[in-house]
Amino acid sequence: ELKVEQNPLFLSMQEGKNYTIYCNYSTTSDRLYWYRQDPGKSLESLFVLLSNGAVKQEGRLMASLDTKARLSTLHITAAVHDLSATYFCAVEEGGGADGLTFGKGTHLIIQP
Amino acid sequence: DTGVSQDPRHKITKRGQNVTFRCDPISEHNRLYWYRQTLGQGPEFLTYFQNEAQLEKSRLLSDRFSAERPKGSFSTLEIQRTEQGDSAMYLCASSLTRTGSENNSPLHFGNGTRLTVT
Repeated sequence: ELKVEQNPLFLSMQEGKNYTIYCNYSTTSDRLYWYRQDPGKSLESLFVLLSNGAVKQEGRLMASLDTKARLSTLHITAAVHDLSATYFCAVEEGGGADGLTFGKGTHLIIQP
Repeated sequence: DTGVSQDPRHKITKRGQNVTFRCDPISEHNRLYWYRQTLGQGPEFLTYFQNEAQLEKSRLLSDRFSAERPKGSFSTLEIQRTEQGDSAMYLCASSLTRTGSENNSPLHFGNGTRLTVT
């Protein structure tokens, strides 16, 4: 059974600081996703990582994938309040036949 | 592209009643997924369709749960004899997926149907 673990589950940080969210998963995977969810809203796709060593960046967020370590990171640079949200990583196996397995999410609060 | 649409947004029902939720995916997407999300947790996969075929349904939580996608477009999720433990957000997602392609889209999620069973 595929397990996806995120660390930390809760993070409070100040604007301007850098931090990293970690996502570990238990089996080999075809691809890994990062999603953002604002309170009461649905999930917004941030990144799709398809291969070992993949790195993608959008604004202050950068995601990377190490398939050998079964680890993905989401790095936040010079955080701003608008990035406050819950961030989920999700792993796909079996070509999508088993859907995505999500982590529990990292609840991120960025304070002025 | 109007996105994934779910109806209703909220449903309050009494224990033992049946409920049905509707999902309209993005029109060109061939795959449609149902997930359940409870407070403080990530979405939990329930079932998915490729066009009108339901290719995975072993993750449905019990035999009270069923889903259909009769014409390969919209889908319905039905819960029979609801229980208080069924209270959750039910999310629908769709994607365009072609076997062997590296350009498959990520899942696009709807805003969900929040179910409260009293």
